Amino acid sequence: GAGVSQSPSNKVTEKGKDVELRCDPISGHTALYWYRQRLGQGLEFLIYFQGNSAPDKSGLPSDRFSAERTGESVSTLTIQRTQQEDSAVYLCASSQPGLAGYEQYFGPGTRLTVT
Amino acid sequence: GDSVTQMEGPVTLSEEAFLTINCTYTATGYPSLFWYVQYPGEGLQLLLKATKADDKGSNKGFEATYRKETTSFHLEKGSVQVSDSAVYFCALSDPYNTDKLIFGTGTRLQVFP
Repeated sequence: GAGVSQSPSNKVTEKGKDVELRCDPISGHTALYWYRQRLGQGLEFLIYFQGNSAPDKSGLPSDRFSAERTGESVSTLTIQRTQQEDSAVYLCASSQPGLAGYEQYFGPGTRLTVT
Repeated sequence: GDSVTQMEGPVTLSEEAFLTINCTYTATGYPSLFWYVQYPGEGLQLLLKATKADDKGSNKGFEATYRKETTSFHLEKGSVQVSDSAVYFCALSDPYNTDKLIFGTGTRLQVFP
């Protein structure tokens, strides 16, 4: 079946503008994660959704970042008043919890460049 | 908090050489351990995993053993190929803490013919 998809694949925006990134998880996966990968660095956890539970927002770097997910479907990550340090690849992953060590399936990412 | 430390790259090898990429972790719980790989121009893929101490994960000739006594999960391959050139990420997840993945900084492997 289809994997995790993300859109857009690339986004160039001016400093101060808002951007919205989209993630379509694998059908049936109840868990959804957002990560950020800055150039030359590892991935940083941003936010986690699991079903109808309150999301784990502990990784969001500032109040300019927010994310939504409706049920077990699409999620959007919104960055308000973008700054140059927000430039990174934003990755979405989905999984089906229930077993220890289950696999997260990653999308191709959205490369965000803030000029 | 939980963390992962892996050796810095790039690691440059000739084809058929032996590969080791070191990874150690710090965790308060009982994490699962993973190696992810990112080939040029592609997304992140799970390479192998281990969910408890002494488990060995293996895939595509790569192996890693979950060593609780040394808090390590080193990646090894006996004979690398040019097609193994990629960035390798060690990661852990705590099944009692949302299962979010905590990644190392990645190690770039370059294999030359």
